[in-house]
Amino acid sequence: SQTIHQWPATLVQPVGSPLSLECTVEGTSNPNLYWYRQAAGRGLQLLFYSVGIGQISSEVPQNLSASRPQDRQFILSSKKLLLSDSGFYLCACHPGTTYGYTFGSGTRLTVV
Amino acid sequence: DAKTTQPNSMESNEEEPVHLPCNHSTISGTDYIHWYRQLPSQGPEYVIHGLTSNVNNRMASLAIAEDRKSSTLILHRATLRDAAVYYCILSYANAGNMLTFGGGTRLMVKP
Repeated sequence: SQTIHQWPATLVQPVGSPLSLECTVEGTSNPNLYWYRQAAGRGLQLLFYSVGIGQISSEVPQNLSASRPQDRQFILSSKKLLLSDSGFYLCACHPGTTYGYTFGSGTRLTVV
Repeated sequence: DAKTTQPNSMESNEEEPVHLPCNHSTISGTDYIHWYRQLPSQGPEYVIHGLTSNVNNRMASLAIAEDRKSSTLILHRATLRDAAVYYCILSYANAGNMLTFGGGTRLMVKP
């Protein structure tokens, strides 16, 4: 089964600063990868997904971007954070079959 | 996109069975029914999934209606650790297997 490593666990960043969150996957090859965000007390919102290296699809237009430089590495970035970017960011992996998704432990981002 | 409807919250007593309902009246023939749960401050955790037949695993059972327009997640003996938000989700085989999360059901377990 696959394992997702996601860091850091918590992050406090000032408005206007850059962001880089990294997610790496073990135990599978060529997975589908996803970034989700969960605002406080809300449901999960899909931000980006990737079906392969360099292939990124965006679900929500915003000041965030994603990249997949390697098969099992998925990065979420921003050049200038906004207050509204605060939330719980989750990386997820799916092996491309009908089995379940695996989620990382998440990064709680607070923009101040 | 086919959507699901779940009650916002449910309560259960510890060590009693819990039946969490989900309606998905617009489900298509290739949609899988997935259940995930999210404990506080954690990422969602896969619980179970199925297509047409009822499914059992070590965590729960999934009962799927014959017309597939509804399903029920069954926790056979609720424990305090089962208190979480439970999401019923349909997966779309032609959309990169993306999961679209709704509001879920917040299950509270009373000792």
